[in-house]
Amino acid sequence: QQQVKQSPQSLIVQKGGISIINCAYENTAFDYFPWYQQFPGKGPALLIAIRPDVSEKKEGRFTISFNKSAKQFSLHIMDSQPGDSATYFCAASFDYKLSFGAGTTVTVRA
Amino acid sequence: GAVVSQHPSWVICKSGTSVKIECRSLDFQATTMFWYRQFPKQSLMLMATSNEGSKATYEQGVEKDKFLINHASLTLSTLTVTSAHPEDSSFYICSAPGTAGITDTQYFGPGTRLTVL
Repeated sequence: QQQVKQSPQSLIVQKGGISIINCAYENTAFDYFPWYQQFPGKGPALLIAIRPDVSEKKEGRFTISFNKSAKQFSLHIMDSQPGDSATYFCAASFDYKLSFGAGTTVTVRA
Repeated sequence: GAVVSQHPSWVICKSGTSVKIECRSLDFQATTMFWYRQFPKQSLMLMATSNEGSKATYEQGVEKDKFLINHASLTLSTLTVTSAHPEDSSFYICSAPGTAGITDTQYFGPGTRLTVL
């Protein structure tokens, strides 16, 4: 049973465009929401993370928007680059235990 | 900082044999580590929580007698897949909580690809 629902499953964006990935959760005990980037054959790497008392966090080209009342959060990748082509996972954490979304494969076309 | 390593990165074994995978926190201590399994084109699924000095706790549906976990020190956890079968072929990844500014941050190892013939 997936505790975090993620969409879309995949997306294609042109270089310089914006990629948007959405996630939703049900368990209100979750208190930490990270996003991970994973390249084929590699472990996930932390991209950006947010706590539920913050509605938005921006780090470079990556922004998390968080809607606590709707139990939804999203990742925006601005000015997408070919090097951003990877699989992105949202996750939710309680007591250090992470529940991952299904993943979104992002392809950035040059 | 906050580097987690795994060894080996890739292992091939015959059905029925046991395989040991090591997870090390290189520049920090980790009293807790986590083990995940990832099948091709799927998400990461938490298998178990490894606790230094005590027994591991397993997620529902994970066979604790098949996936033996030992947290021998504050920087090393091992996962042993016993009597491996082809359906155990997967990508095994460990993680450890770090303290790089944000609590709850998990740092992941590079993963170990297990192929059981």
